Amino acid sequence: GAGVSQTPSNKVTEKGKYVELRCDPISGHTALYWYRQSLGQGPEFLIYFQGTGAADDSGLPNDRFFAVRPEGSVSTLKIQRTERGDSAVYLCASALRAGGPKDTQYFGPGTRLTVL
Amino acid sequence: QKEVEQNSGPLSVPEGAIASLNCTYSDRGSQSFFWYRQYSGKSPELIMFIYSNGDKEDGRFTAQLNKASQYVSLLIRDSQPSDSATYLCAVMGASKIIFGSGTRLSIRP
Repeated sequence: GAGVSQTPSNKVTEKGKYVELRCDPISGHTALYWYRQSLGQGPEFLIYFQGTGAADDSGLPNDRFFAVRPEGSVSTLKIQRTERGDSAVYLCASALRAGGPKDTQYFGPGTRLTVL
Repeated sequence: QKEVEQNSGPLSVPEGAIASLNCTYSDRGSQSFFWYRQYSGKSPELIMFIYSNGDKEDGRFTAQLNKASQYVSLLIRDSQPSDSATYLCAVMGASKIIFGSGTRLSIRP
């Protein structure tokens, strides 16, 4: 596809449930990033992948959050035992490569997660 | 101290004037600096990046970087109503990008 896609666009779930959010990066981009954005705040870094491996997961808030990218393309962010505080827009971005000074990230439309 | 700081605004500028957006950062090792624009309900879109001290111009936009002062700014000339949005400053360290909270810009006709 032409850009980064994310599904679903909206997800409403109940407290305690498990959710999966999917990101399909731009074809050929090796770096993939997950962010979380709350109202009135900038995107908050969660994790990034270079290829299949998680190169930096220091932004994951706790062990309820996990992300995978098994084939180096599509990534899934998994949240267990959701809490109301997890409600936010989850953004995915991809870049041709990671860490370079011109490493431009292109964002997907985001998934709005609401935990009731 | 936040790693990337921006005035939240709103910053109100008359149409046709210059809008000046500022950002400071704490990590002296930061390598690259980005300005993103985000319309309400939409995802961020890149406007410019800069990684050398000085000015970089692209159309109506000029990014300015001063690493000694740990300061980066964005100037928007001939402001248009369509420039009304939140502008996010982002700073890249060793491997990840840290975003500021954004400055809300409003261009009044």
